[in-house]
Amino acid sequence: GESVGLHLPTLSVQEGDNSIINCAYSNSASDYFIWYKQESGKGPQFIIDIRSNMDKRQGQRVTVLLNKTVKHLSLQIAATQPGDSAVYFCAERPFSGGYNKLIFGAGTRLAVHP
Amino acid sequence: DADVTQTPRNRITKTGKRIMLECSQTKGHDRMYWYRQDPGLGLRLIYYSFDVKDINKGEISDGYSVSRQAQAKFSLSLESAIPNQTALYFCATSVTGTDTGELFFGEGSRLTVL
Repeated sequence: GESVGLHLPTLSVQEGDNSIINCAYSNSASDYFIWYKQESGKGPQFIIDIRSNMDKRQGQRVTVLLNKTVKHLSLQIAATQPGDSAVYFCAERPFSGGYNKLIFGAGTRLAVHP
Repeated sequence: DADVTQTPRNRITKTGKRIMLECSQTKGHDRMYWYRQDPGLGLRLIYYSFDVKDINKGEISDGYSVSRQAQAKFSLSLESAIPNQTALYFCATSVTGTDTGELFFGEGSRLTVL
């Protein structure tokens, strides 16, 4: 089994509902924010990113919202499906850190129930 | 076939032993990274390399060393393994010139130090 998900906060949703996963970040100087999805036994996979000069970006069934005032990032998944079950990580890229030296959050487990 | 391949996928070793985790990629990316994942802590950067002649320490480099043998190969070594190095290790790549936070991860190497 995948032990990386132990001790993580879990969001449980019904299939077809919308999911909102939240993340607080720490560095006001970060210029990019990214969401990754990690399925059991696999490496993290890029979902969507957003620049610090934007407050909303939409992808296919996913929307990322950025609130710089309170240093908050959220990932919204529309019509959640069983295949969305995974651990989701937010990450920030500090502007002074160079390309893709990302700082990852601890992750949130999304459990989708039929 | 995976674009970022890690070997071994699983390894159990004893305290004091030298361990090498290897990573190879067919994506043609010049930037490579080693991350460590622990339950509830997300991913933390160990080392990164922006090209064959460039090696940089990440936030948790103590007890680790790396070698960038070629553009496509980046290995992580534990000279004398200790139990608190038990973790899931990920290699990742990214490409220079793309202004996003996208990393491409391997499937991970689970290391257990007894």
